[in-house]
Amino acid sequence: AQSVTQLGSHVSVSEGALVLLRCNYSSSVPPYLFWYVQYPNQGLQLLLKYTSAATLVKGINGFEAEFKKSETSFHLTKPSAHMSDAAEYFCAVSDKRGAGKSTFGDGTTLTVKP
Amino acid sequence: NAGVTQTPKFRILKIGQSMTLQCTQDMNHNYMYWYRQDPGMGLKLIYYSVGAGITDKGEVPNGYNVSRSTTEDFPLRLELAAPSQTSVYFCASIPGGADTQYFGPGTRLTVL
Repeated sequence: AQSVTQLGSHVSVSEGALVLLRCNYSSSVPPYLFWYVQYPNQGLQLLLKYTSAATLVKGINGFEAEFKKSETSFHLTKPSAHMSDAAEYFCAVSDKRGAGKSTFGDGTTLTVKP
Repeated sequence: NAGVTQTPKFRILKIGQSMTLQCTQDMNHNYMYWYRQDPGMGLKLIYYSVGAGITDKGEVPNGYNVSRSTTEDFPLRLELAAPSQTSVYFCASIPGGADTQYFGPGTRLTVL
């Protein structure tokens, strides 16, 4: 069984401030972890993924995430928020590559204040 | 490539009506998925397919049916629509041997 918990359904930051979105997972097997972004009225777009290689993963738009096995966490960060980062972010865990079934968190809405 | 396309974009159904949500991908991906997204929630897997002729249930399959007669198409059928099926439905696909899901733009369904 696998699950994902995203801490904080809403996060608000000022433009230029650090973005930190939290994700904790549970998995009975080595996990594959993903962060997706969803803009209003659109589908999900992959930001980055962890697939058992480097524990610090860099993605698009300046985002990165660190896999910490001891803490079962995969938090998403960006050093400096931009107005265009305002969106909903989803963390997901999969039990294997390709045909694995993904379990998604409930999402975190990021608001960026000018 | 058009990627993953879904039709219709919006639909309102009456209780008890049936409809098919269409999903097509032109990337020759083996794996295809149907999710539903309720307000304030993450995506829940309804059904998935690992190739033509092969489908399996996900987390919330009740009230839905699927088929996969071709690699490209993965329609989702609602037989007797219920208000609990009001949601946004997303289709996704993955190429064989990869792990990145490509999502369609979604179908917003309301059942009244």
